[in-house]
Amino acid sequence: DIVMTQSPDSLAVSLGERATINCKSSQSVLYSSNNKNYLAWYQLKPGQPPKLLIYWASTRESGVPDRFSGSGSGTDFTLTISSLQAEDVAVYYCQQSYSTPFSFGQGTRLEIK
Amino acid sequence: EVQLVESGGGLVQPGRSLRLSCAASGFTFNDYAIHWVRQAPGKGLEWVSGISWNGGRKGYVDSVKGRFTISRDNAKNSLYLQMNSLRAEDTAFYYCVKDKGDYGDLQGDFDYWGQGTLVTVSS
Repeated sequence: DIVMTQSPDSLAVSLGERATINCKSSQSVLYSSNNKNYLAWYQLKPGQPPKLLIYWASTRESGVPDRFSGSGSGTDFTLTISSLQAEDVAVYYCQQSYSTPFSFGQGTRLEIK
Repeated sequence: EVQLVESGGGLVQPGRSLRLSCAASGFTFNDYAIHWVRQAPGKGLEWVSGISWNGGRKGYVDSVKGRFTISRDNAKNSLYLQMNSLRAEDTAFYYCVKDKGDYGDLQGDFDYWGQGTLVTVSS
């Protein structure tokens, strides 16, 4: 089974500043046949279901603001929020969809400094 | 508008059974795989199980194999999770989740989520 590890566990960033969250998988999630990384990012706010932000490591889901971006390949990935807004306060999860059982990271709590 | 509405949660004693249901609308249900994902109170997300568009492929996390069974009824646009031999560690919000993949298989990107139903396993 693939284990996903995020860092840091929590992060405080000033409004308008950049926020960066890292995710590492225990094995590569890159399919060589189509050159796609099966890595997604989700945003979870209290009282709401999770929201898909990014899939295939860097493809933004429809309707997601362009301040959210994903990068990385193989086993190391990053979610970047280019200019933090108040509404971005949430817990962020990475998740691999390379193989079942699909697995999530432990989550990173993002707060305003 | 895509809607996924879970039901069937509640308080149950350890060792007993519970059946969750999910009613789907707003999309062509039998074109997509559907999953159950859970979140224990104060904990992270955990994929529990998924089923392909026609039920031909199913997957489970190891901790529920042999105890939980996922199924679907495409005529009723409904997903189910039969949970047997429940344990305290199964206590969680259970979300019904639509797979984004266009081919009906278990792609594993979750684009629409229900509001969840709470299962509490306690004596």
